[in-house]
Amino acid sequence: SQQGEEDPQALSIQEGENATMNCSYKTSINNLQWYRQNSGRGLVHLILIRSNEREKHSGRLRVTLDTSKKSSSLLITASRAADTASYFCATDGVGGATNKLIFGTGTLLAVQP
Amino acid sequence: GAVVSQHPSRVICKSGTSVKIECRSLDFQATTMFWYRQFPKQSLMLMATSNEGSKATYEQGVEKDKFLINHASLTLSTLTVTSAHPEDSSFYICSASRVVDTEAFFGQGTRLTVV
Repeated sequence: SQQGEEDPQALSIQEGENATMNCSYKTSINNLQWYRQNSGRGLVHLILIRSNEREKHSGRLRVTLDTSKKSSSLLITASRAADTASYFCATDGVGGATNKLIFGTGTLLAVQP
Repeated sequence: GAVVSQHPSRVICKSGTSVKIECRSLDFQATTMFWYRQFPKQSLMLMATSNEGSKATYEQGVEKDKFLINHASLTLSTLTVTSAHPEDSSFYICSASRVVDTEAFFGQGTRLTVV
């Protein structure tokens, strides 16, 4: 399977704490993206990092990418109860087709108020 | 961001019937759309690539006669689950992009329940 893996599978933290999720993938990529999914809903795009970038910030989100290790991390700082959701990384470039995304297994984040 | 609309959001059908799910890009043209399937508490699995004006490309293990994809215009792709069975019950999500090398925008998903 080409599917990436994320860890941890589940993470429970208190409001105000930071949450870190890791993603590993198997093939060469053009971009790596992080998405959020609330239970039973569609996906919300969070951030895209290109293969030639190492770090990217967006608000309380910080994403790193290490192409030599084929891994990425998503850090959510000062978490809020509303951040409770599943988070997925997704890689593209498989077979040369950008936007044909292969998703990681996901991390279920629970932020306790 | 660009808007992708998926319809219906929920559908319940009887075993043996067919169900059509629509994916529309509302404010942009999408030559390529993608269909994903998600089982409860699992990740999204790519089913097929929908190409405007040509046949869809299916991922390994996905039955093309079971999951019919039509991409007749630059703003609409449809997925038809034919002769549905309870094991087809799942969450189906589409995505579309404006141009190559930008983020993909996802529809809100369709929860299919086959009884």
